[in-house]
Amino acid sequence: GESVGLHLPTLSVQEGDNSIINCAYSNSASDYFIWYKQESGKGPQFIIDIRSNMDKRQGQRVTVLLNKTVKHLSLQIAATQPGDSAVYFCAELTGGGNKLTFGTGTQLKVEL
Amino acid sequence: DAGVIQSPRHEVTEMGQEVTLRCKPISGHDYLFWYRQTMMRGLELLIYFNNNVPIDDSGMPEDRFSAKMPNASFSTLKIQPSEPRDSAVYFCASSLGAGRQPQHFGDGTRLSIL
Repeated sequence: GESVGLHLPTLSVQEGDNSIINCAYSNSASDYFIWYKQESGKGPQFIIDIRSNMDKRQGQRVTVLLNKTVKHLSLQIAATQPGDSAVYFCAELTGGGNKLTFGTGTQLKVEL
Repeated sequence: DAGVIQSPRHEVTEMGQEVTLRCKPISGHDYLFWYRQTMMRGLELLIYFNNNVPIDDSGMPEDRFSAKMPNASFSTLKIQPSEPRDSAVYFCASSLGAGRQPQHFGDGTRLSIL
């Protein structure tokens, strides 16, 4: 049969605007979450993490929000720049605490 | 600081050949992970080691795949014999400690099996 690849959702934003990338996770027992950025031809790069006892964590230009009630994670990027163009993955810690399960990713495109 | 180093960056070989992918983790990290990334299945964990000992290989697709970690600074992922469906980008990652510690990834090996 014909192969069907994963269809990455795409978010297009104007340079200077704020970006919000969303992620729904599956396991209510997950207690640690990470956001990664992957540029073309490179490996995933750690951006920010959050533990389940927090609902918000801020880094440089990035904020992660965690809503455990609805199992939802979001990554906010302030003043988006062309260098932010990449695929963004959320990951949750599962399987006894040592295994990361990755989401399918969101393609962020920054328009000049 | 040196990150995770993988070699080769690209590998093209014919079906049936043996393929060996190499990884040098970040110095001092005691966990090492091998992942495979494809358009069909996304990023999947194949196997991980703690202090050079394989802990969980449940993600290894079949017996054609094997991984070793002879010392703290080197790991290999071997495919023998290789098949076209093994074509993917293979990533190695390492972390300091288990659980709630970020894994740091190399830039991967893009493998094409003809």
